Amino acid sequence: KAGVTQTPRYLIKTRGQQVTLSCSPISGHRSVSWYQQTPGQGLQFLFEYFSETQRNKGNFPGRFSGRQFSNSRSEMNVSTLELGDSALYLCASSGRDISYEQYFGPGTRLTVT
Amino acid sequence: KNQVEQSPQSLIILEGKNCTLQCNYTVSPFSNLRWYKQDTGRGPVSLTIMTFSENTKSNGRYTATLDADTKQSSLHITASQLSDSASYICVAFGNEKLTFGTGTRLTIIP
Repeated sequence: KAGVTQTPRYLIKTRGQQVTLSCSPISGHRSVSWYQQTPGQGLQFLFEYFSETQRNKGNFPGRFSGRQFSNSRSEMNVSTLELGDSALYLCASSGRDISYEQYFGPGTRLTVT
Repeated sequence: KNQVEQSPQSLIILEGKNCTLQCNYTVSPFSNLRWYKQDTGRGPVSLTIMTFSENTKSNGRYTATLDADTKQSSLHITASQLSDSASYICVAFGNEKLTFGTGTRLTIIP
């Protein structure tokens, strides 16, 4: 069974631009969660999608948004990028919801200059 | 406020030695606790997941313990190998939320 895949793996953007990251969950998994990881803050929860509906949301500004498609693939969008958005963005999928074991993808390393 | 605290922040040990990482959590109501291993630049990989009714769980050379009364968990690594060098993250799930620790950075030296 293929694992969670994320594209692209690396991205360099300029402040003020927007970016879209993609995540394909493990086949059959319907829950997809997104996390931001920085050296100082550790892993921080962005949001969770289940069957195309956002079910949970972390404490991030509205510039961070996401969506999930009918095939469970998910995208995350960050608008008006700031230098502080530079981070590793991780996606995780679960067979049911975040109360169950999650499987993480390799992440997308975003650098904002 | 839900919190997960891990100690030590970093640890250096010789290859072949054992070590124990600690995790204290204040999550209520508590459902389960997870340990992840994260290699540099990669996504976390699950080591164990334990519910409040489980006291210990093993995954190869990794053994996690859980004391739901004192809200403490530990991850014991036996006969460490160079490939064990990574960050180890403790995560508590409760009240429909995941609370992450900031991790312990483990370095194994030959």
